[in-house]
Amino acid sequence: GEEVAQTPKHLVRGEGQKAKLYCAPIKGHSYVFWYQQVLKNEFKFLISFQNENVFDETGMPKERFSAKCLPNSPCSLEIQATKLEDSAVYFCASSPQSRDRDSNYGYTFGSGTRLTVV
Amino acid sequence: GDSVTQMEGPVTLSEEAFLTINCTYTATGYPSLFWYVQYPGEGLQLLLKATKADDKGSNKGFEATYRKETTSFHLEKGSVQVSDSAVYFCATGFSGGYNKLIFGAGTRLAVHP
Repeated sequence: GEEVAQTPKHLVRGEGQKAKLYCAPIKGHSYVFWYQQVLKNEFKFLISFQNENVFDETGMPKERFSAKCLPNSPCSLEIQATKLEDSAVYFCASSPQSRDRDSNYGYTFGSGTRLTVV
Repeated sequence: GDSVTQMEGPVTLSEEAFLTINCTYTATGYPSLFWYVQYPGEGLQLLLKATKADDKGSNKGFEATYRKETTSFHLEKGSVQVSDSAVYFCATGFSGGYNKLIFGAGTRLAVHP
């Protein structure tokens, strides 16, 4: 389809529980990005994939966070042992492969998953 | 590292007023610049972009000009509408669809009738 589908829309977890978020990128898009938006609107880059390969993981917390993009499956972001500070909206975006500077960049964002850790 | 600074909100305006939201960036190299808009409960939508110095991006009455000398990309609209109420994000990134974007903190705009 022509939209980035994120599930679930809302997720509530007790502190210490696992949280798993899913993202289905637009068909044909080679790149997937995860961003975390905390309460004050700040967007923090977490990780990106080129197809099923990690492309850039410079924003990914080393502990507790992991992500995958497997063939023929939605991408996933998993948080082990959630903490209160993990409460945020997690956005996924996808982009087609393009090296053209003047291209439309092609980022399409999903509507996000709101994670609340209590 | 690369960063984006935009004016703090909220910005509150009456309908048909003139809008300016300031944005400055720091980056090594020559990035592309973007404005995204986020309506309540939704993801980000690309509003406009510029890829080189003096380029003007425009869409839906909004404009921004890439000013390399002042490292700025201020967003303007001559006459805002209630439907423009949203959070606006300035962002920088390098060419190609594979590079991450660096976002500013966002500026909330509220337009009243």
